[in-house]
Amino acid sequence: DTGVSQDPRHKITKRGQNVTFRCDPISEHNRLYWYRQTLGQGPEFLTYFQNEAQLEKSRLLSDRFSAERPKGSFSTLEIQRTEQGDSAMYLCASSFPTGRSYGYTFGSGTRLTVV
Amino acid sequence: TQLLEQSPQFLSIQEGENLTVYCNSSSVFSSLQWYRQEPGEGPVLLVTVVTGGEVKKLKRLTFQFGDARKDSSLHITAAQPGDTGLYLCAGATPGKTSYDKVIFGPGTSLSVIP
Repeated sequence: DTGVSQDPRHKITKRGQNVTFRCDPISEHNRLYWYRQTLGQGPEFLTYFQNEAQLEKSRLLSDRFSAERPKGSFSTLEIQRTEQGDSAMYLCASSFPTGRSYGYTFGSGTRLTVV
Repeated sequence: TQLLEQSPQFLSIQEGENLTVYCNSSSVFSSLQWYRQEPGEGPVLLVTVVTGGEVKKLKRLTFQFGDARKDSSLHITAAQPGDTGLYLCAGATPGKTSYDKVIFGPGTSLSVIP
């Protein structure tokens, strides 16, 4: 297993367009997380999946954002009608199914630039 | 609202020097994690500490979890240019479901000059 994969690595889009990002977690990890990171800040939690169930969403995840994990494997994050404020690094992470968090494995992220 | 603070925000030192970075909060955490992030990449987990007062060593890096499980420090001995990066601390607390919710601090940006 090569770790958590994210695609694409970079995306430049015009304001108002829709974009979709993909994350492939480590195969043994049934927990998957999406975070957003802007320059000079730490990652901010967006949403969490356990298998295919989306169990928690941050209020940062507005109606324009939707995330899915249809078969409990890969996940997609879609942003509709992108705005310049959506420009950020979108990070996906996965972890083992333990109650206490012992840490995440992150992907390399998708850098989104909205022009 | 839980908040993690890190200090200093930026640190630039010469190769061979020692340094300590700090992570503080008013919240109690079930575990605390340290990550290092390089530009354009995702964070990489360095260590997780779970017991108050716990000390873990990873080669030249020493991590300590405060007795009250509200703060942590990272000490690097004889820093090398390869240590350059953004050091993030992250605290875990029980979330709405059966998992621990992890929040991140803003990071300490370290630059080690050869």
